[in-house]
Amino acid sequence: DAGVIQSPRHEVTEMGQEVTLRCKPISGHNSLFWYRQTMMRGLELLIYFNNNVPIDDSGMPEDRFSAKMPNASFSTLKIQPSEPRDSAVYFCASSLLTGYEQYFGPGTRLTVT
Amino acid sequence: LAKTTQPISMDSYEGQEVNITCSHNNIATNDYITWYQQFPSQGPRFIIQGYKTKVTNEVASLFIPADRKSSTLSLPRVSLSDTAVYYCLVGDMAPGSARQLTFGSGTQLTVLP
Repeated sequence: DAGVIQSPRHEVTEMGQEVTLRCKPISGHNSLFWYRQTMMRGLELLIYFNNNVPIDDSGMPEDRFSAKMPNASFSTLKIQPSEPRDSAVYFCASSLLTGYEQYFGPGTRLTVT
Repeated sequence: LAKTTQPISMDSYEGQEVNITCSHNNIATNDYITWYQQFPSQGPRFIIQGYKTKVTNEVASLFIPADRKSSTLSLPRVSLSDTAVYYCLVGDMAPGSARQLTFGSGTQLTVLP
């Protein structure tokens, strides 16, 4: 298996633009997680899905952030409109079940200018 | 949610055994303890997971006392490549659980030659 795949690896955009981050989890994994990492706040869990259903989105910072998982092999994290403070590395991870070992993707480094 | 406390940083020399302790005083009955390792510019990687007593795998050991209010990750004979941030997580493994698995600030381990 190729592991968790994220795209793009790097994204530079201007404030106010819409940003969409994509994730393909490991086949057969039932849980998917979106994290954000910054120097100031560390690694924060934004939202996680179980069997494609959002279970807990309390970590999503505000309404500008939304996440979807239309099927077991694809998820998106969207920021609209983006702001400079959204600049961070966004990780997607998947696991067989919630609480089990999580496999992280390489991350998307987002820079909002 | 069980909160974890770890040392911010530790230094060691090559070939030494390193023990990193994590405090989780309000751990719940169903909670497991999981450790992750993160290298710069990469996502975290699972190291080990346990519930009580001792767990050992090919890279580390995890010691958990009877009261489970703390745990110790032991890395035998570290090398320079073990320089990384180590995170302790506490959470239950129930599928679809609404409890978040929270990455704390982690421990920056620096292995010196």
